[in-house]
Amino acid sequence: NAGVTQTPKFQVLKTGQSMTLQCAQDMNHNSMYWYRQDPGMGLRLIYYSASEGTTDKGEVPNGYNVSRLNKREFSLRLESAAPSQTSVYFCASSEGAGGSEAFFGQGTRLTVV
Amino acid sequence: AQSVAQPEDQVNVAEGNPLTVKCTYSVSGNPYLFWYVQYPNRGLQFLLKYITGDNLVKGSYGFEAEFNKSQTSFHLKKPSALVSDSALYFCAVRAPGTYKYIFGTGTRLKVLA
Repeated sequence: NAGVTQTPKFQVLKTGQSMTLQCAQDMNHNSMYWYRQDPGMGLRLIYYSASEGTTDKGEVPNGYNVSRLNKREFSLRLESAAPSQTSVYFCASSEGAGGSEAFFGQGTRLTVV
Repeated sequence: AQSVAQPEDQVNVAEGNPLTVKCTYSVSGNPYLFWYVQYPNRGLQFLLKYITGDNLVKGSYGFEAEFNKSQTSFHLKKPSALVSDSALYFCAVRAPGTYKYIFGTGTRLKVLA
């Protein structure tokens, strides 16, 4: 039971390049999330998917797109990377709304030069 | 709008002493509240949550948290700190009927031997 798996773990991009961060969960959770973590700013929600087939913007969606490929997988795409997108990205999943806790992946450390 | 405040960037405590990490929140309705811990280069691990009922919630690794509705607080506590408790701690809130988890900026706990 792997939980939430993110790939890759590390990535260096040049400004303007594109890439997709992959996330998969094996807990049969309905909801999935993408957060970014920056020093002093905590975790900020980029996008989330309440259930398969739906996606919604979070606090900081600009420069990102997402795809809920199926119930297990939720990908985050950077179409044209910028240095301001240098961050650690975390994927998470939860059963749904209410009091269920989120489970997090190990993170992707992205550097845009 | 939901928000979480962790007023201390860092908390230092001697090993064996009690520790408190503070969290206050703002949300409409009865909140769901969570504490997570993050060790270096790792994802967030769930510690405990408050949904309803008893205001004192017990969680993993001897941690507990006290929900105080009148003060809109959810402080994390442990009776006797260990050096291995040194980590980054995040408080999060979720409003009823919503999917988003809103995180605080984190508090770095340093337990001194």
